Amino acid sequence: QKEVEQDPGPLSVPEGAIVSLNCTYSNSAFQYFMWYRQYSRKGPELLMYTYSSGNKEDGRFTAQVDKSSKYISLFIRDSQPSDSATYLCAMRVSGGYQKVTFGIGTKLQVIP
Amino acid sequence: NAGVTQTPKFQVLKTGQSMTLQCAQDMNHEYMSWYRQDPGMGLRLIHYSVGAGITDQGEVPNGYNVSRSTTEDFPLRLLSAAPSQTSVYFCASSSTGNNQPQHFGDGTRLSIL
Repeated sequence: QKEVEQDPGPLSVPEGAIVSLNCTYSNSAFQYFMWYRQYSRKGPELLMYTYSSGNKEDGRFTAQVDKSSKYISLFIRDSQPSDSATYLCAMRVSGGYQKVTFGIGTKLQVIP
Repeated sequence: NAGVTQTPKFQVLKTGQSMTLQCAQDMNHEYMSWYRQDPGMGLRLIHYSVGAGITDQGEVPNGYNVSRSTTEDFPLRLLSAAPSQTSVYFCASSSTGNNQPQHFGDGTRLSIL
């Protein structure tokens, strides 16, 4: 069993839809949770960074962490064709700056 | 504002050949890492460095060497390429501190025949 599980999709939604992307994990020591967006033939870029449980909002993006369930989510409101990309969840323990564990990524397509 | 620069962007090698993937960052970041990305496997850490002269192994280090003689550069060496090393390789850098994100380069696509 992988430490981080993420459905690879693909996920197709119409423009304007609310998108929900999720990851589950098994290591209860994970404290820092991240979402990266990766466009085709590009490197990942950080979208959201949260510590421990709770919600964080940034524009159309909301990240949620439920440590009791070992479950994290990324919500995208009013999705746009430019949101079409692969979304990677990632997490690490406190102080483990370099040892980040990534999910395999969910490919999202937003259809105009 | 270059960020993290990886060269080359594409490379085809024959089994047994050696090569060095270059990574440079201009943000004065202490931490640098190399990942490989394979379908269905996600990003896996190969080697990382917490500063000049200091390197350590990640999850999949076999077949790869690294060194860090300067803060800016972190090359990855394949000593004897194998088909199993066909992958997309990403270099990343970050500053210290819990809230500092990793900045990734755009990758090197490597095929081993």
